[in-house]
Amino acid sequence: EAGVAQSPRYKIIEKRQSVAFWCNPISGHATLYWYQQILGQGPKLLIQFQNNGVVDDSQLPKDRFSAERLKGVDSTLKIQPAKLEDSAVYLCASSLGDRSYNEQFFGPGTRLTVL
Amino acid sequence: AQSVTQPDIHITVSEGASLELRCNYSYGATPYLFWYVQSPGQGLQLLLKYFSGDTLVQGIKGFEAEFKRSQSSFNLRKPSVHWSDAAEYFCAVEDTGGFKTIFGAGTRLFVKA
Repeated sequence: EAGVAQSPRYKIIEKRQSVAFWCNPISGHATLYWYQQILGQGPKLLIQFQNNGVVDDSQLPKDRFSAERLKGVDSTLKIQPAKLEDSAVYLCASSLGDRSYNEQFFGPGTRLTVL
Repeated sequence: AQSVTQPDIHITVSEGASLELRCNYSYGATPYLFWYVQSPGQGLQLLLKYFSGDTLVQGIKGFEAEFKRSQSSFNLRKPSVHWSDAAEYFCAVEDTGGFKTIFGAGTRLFVKA
């Protein structure tokens, strides 16, 4: 069974530029998550989708971050414009259902460096 | 809001020695608790989870964790550490409402020969 795919694996940009990350979840998984993991911290949920609807985006900085999950399958996360403090690993995960007792399967992440 | 505390930023153990990673949580009721492992350059992988019942939970890779309500703890243990266990370990708790998982800051495990 293929895992969660993410691209790119690494990205270096300058502040005020824009960047986009892509995630393809495990086939059949209805729930998709985007996490931000700053160095030395645990993952922080940015947004959670159930199919193509948003379950939780309370910690998404909506003035600069946006995410979509068209057709309820793959998803993109965009930052525009990027700030230095956005440097982090962005993790995508998926699960069968939206309750926390469903195991989340994580992709390898995208490491973003903002200069 | 729920929170998770992992008191140890990093721990070093010798290969073959036993391991215990500490985790404390704040939650009003019986929580759902998780331990994840993150190897370098990889995503997180679920080691084990506790929802109810037996307070000693067995997981993958020889890990176990014990839920202690009186201490609000969910410590991870392994009787004999292998060099391949070197990684970062995250404790996590279900947020109120049951939809979101709150992660601790992690404990990095170093294994020395």
